[in-house]
Amino acid sequence: KAGVTQTPRYLIKTRGQQVTLSCSPISGHRSVSWYQQTPGQGLQFLFEYFSETQRNKGNFPGRFSGRQFSNSRSEMNVSTLELGDSALYLCASSLGSSGGSTDTQYFGPGTRLTVL
Amino acid sequence: GNSVTQMEGPVTLSEEAFLTINCTYTATGYPSLFWYVQYPGEGLQLLLKATKADDKGSNKGFEATYRKETTSFHLEKGSVQVSDSAVYFCALSSGGGSQGNLIFGKGTKLSVKP
Repeated sequence: KAGVTQTPRYLIKTRGQQVTLSCSPISGHRSVSWYQQTPGQGLQFLFEYFSETQRNKGNFPGRFSGRQFSNSRSEMNVSTLELGDSALYLCASSLGSSGGSTDTQYFGPGTRLTVL
Repeated sequence: GNSVTQMEGPVTLSEEAFLTINCTYTATGYPSLFWYVQYPGEGLQLLLKATKADDKGSNKGFEATYRKETTSFHLEKGSVQVSDSAVYFCALSSGGGSQGNLIFGKGTKLSVKP
């Protein structure tokens, strides 16, 4: 079974631009979560989508948004990029149906975003 | 709120040494606990998990036991290899209104020397 895929793997943007990252979950998984990883803050939860609806959201400004399509693929958008948005953005998928704590998340390789 | 605390790194060991990485958590209810590993330039890989008290997760020689009385989930391996060099993250999932939201520790970098 294919794993979680993320595109692109690397991205360089300048301040003020916007960017869209894509995530394709494992077949059959309906939940997609996004995380930001930086050396200073570590791994921080951005949001989670299940069946095309945002089910949970972390503490990030409104410049960070996402969506999920009917095939469970998800995109994340960051508008008006700032230098501090440089990070590794990780996507994770899970079955999501139980909504319980036992649901295991499987991660993609990440998209490395550099903002100049 | 929920949180995970794991020992600061880096940890440097010689091949075949015993490894322990401490992890303690704070959570309401009955969280599930996970260890993920990140190799250089890659995403996170699930190493092992435990979903209830006294469960032992194990994989590739690594193991961790869910201790509710001490709120701990320490990672151990009896004999490390150079290929185990990576960053290890302890995480919890509390479900309920926080489904899809893993809470991570800061990570512990392990370097194994031949």
